[in-house]
Amino acid sequence: DQQVKQNSPSLSVQEGRISILNCDYTNSMFDYFLWYKKYPAEGPTFLISISSIKDKNEDGRFTVFLNKSAKHLSLHIVPSQPGDSAVYFCAAPKGNQFYFGTGTSLTVIP
Amino acid sequence: DAGVIQSPRHEVTEMGQEVTLRCKPISGHDYLFWYRQTMMRGLELLIYFNNNVPIDDSGMPEDRFSAKMPNASFSTLKIQPSEPRDSAVYFCASSPSGRAAGELFFGEGSRLTVL
Repeated sequence: DQQVKQNSPSLSVQEGRISILNCDYTNSMFDYFLWYKKYPAEGPTFLISISSIKDKNEDGRFTVFLNKSAKHLSLHIVPSQPGDSAVYFCAAPKGNQFYFGTGTSLTVIP
Repeated sequence: DAGVIQSPRHEVTEMGQEVTLRCKPISGHDYLFWYRQTMMRGLELLIYFNNNVPIDDSGMPEDRFSAKMPNASFSTLKIQPSEPRDSAVYFCASSPSGRAAGELFFGEGSRLTVL
């Protein structure tokens, strides 16, 4: 039962352009969402989060948008840089559990 | 500050052998989680502890898997006997709160290959 879904396993973007990573969820009780970034041979690290009382949260080049009616969130990276190449996971906590998507592998082409 | 420390980083073993993965959480964190990463299912929660007590082990795939947390600074995930389908990267994570406002701090993972 995948409550958080990332339907695009991979994405390639030219350096300097926008990267848009998408995430859908099924549980309307989720009230907080996080994005994690994972480099090869490393553990995931926290990137940015958003509470359900907001529809947008921005941190430098990273912006997360939340559309509660569509149960959809997206991560925008502008401008994309080669160092952004990684796997990105969206996650939603419920109680003390964190539900993760399957990840999207982003490749930023120099 | 030291992060979450996992060992071994890599383990190659033969089917039927016992495998023990270890984790030292960040000091002061009272939640500890074990996750498994596979291509098909992404990051799956196996089990989590609060104050050394297992709270939810519904993600543990089979009785071959067991996890313990004898004290606040150490946890183990054991697979006995191991099978090729157990091959994956196993992550340990800790959290100071475990609540929605918190975030998880992951170790670097233990890559297990069962031949």
